Amino acid sequence: EPEVTQTPSHQVTQMGQEVILRCVPISNHLYFYWYRQILGQKVEFLVSFYNNEISEKSEIFDDQFSVERPDGSNFTLKIRSTKLEDSAMYFCASKNRDRGNYGYTFGSGTRLTVV
Amino acid sequence: KNEVEQSPQNLTAQEGEFITINCSYSVGISALHWLQQHPGGGIVSLFMLSSGKKKHGRLIATINIQEKHSSLHITASHPRDSAVYICAVNYGGSQGNLIFGKGTKLSVKP
Repeated sequence: EPEVTQTPSHQVTQMGQEVILRCVPISNHLYFYWYRQILGQKVEFLVSFYNNEISEKSEIFDDQFSVERPDGSNFTLKIRSTKLEDSAMYFCASKNRDRGNYGYTFGSGTRLTVV
Repeated sequence: KNEVEQSPQNLTAQEGEFITINCSYSVGISALHWLQQHPGGGIVSLFMLSSGKKKHGRLIATINIQEKHSSLHITASHPRDSAVYICAVNYGGSQGNLIFGKGTKLSVKP
């Protein structure tokens, strides 16, 4: 069964450093998402991406965050200057149709720890 | 504000018991999803519903659009069912992003 692959599985970084979280969505999927889950809290939407541009973003997704699909397969989330409160599990997800009537496939997540 | 509420927050059951987890939401949706999050953190999609009922093995999901309520049932529960079960919805005006509930932590004892 096709999978969404995320790397790395764990990343520890110093406050103020830039991090790039990588995702390889399922090849025929068109819609891509980043979510995050702070420890003990619910999963929160960050950003959705379609046709090489952001289609929607949440209040969390401020100027410190950016997304790219640099080569048609990878989908990356960059945090420019990490803060302690960016420590969380970050999930990539993809699906092949818009709106709600098609299922999402999630990656296994990247656990980011900012020290 | 679009909210997704789940109950109970925590649930402990004996192996073999029938389990029900509930989810309610506040406004019209285009779809509701039940997800399973394993102790390691990975999320797996179980069901996507826009009406009626779906069944997969020992799992059954139902939705009542008028009452804005969904239930996830597990029949003949097993310790391997222990996980966090999360309800998430696509609201009608969204671009496909999900709004998540806080999850129900299920522990099934042998």
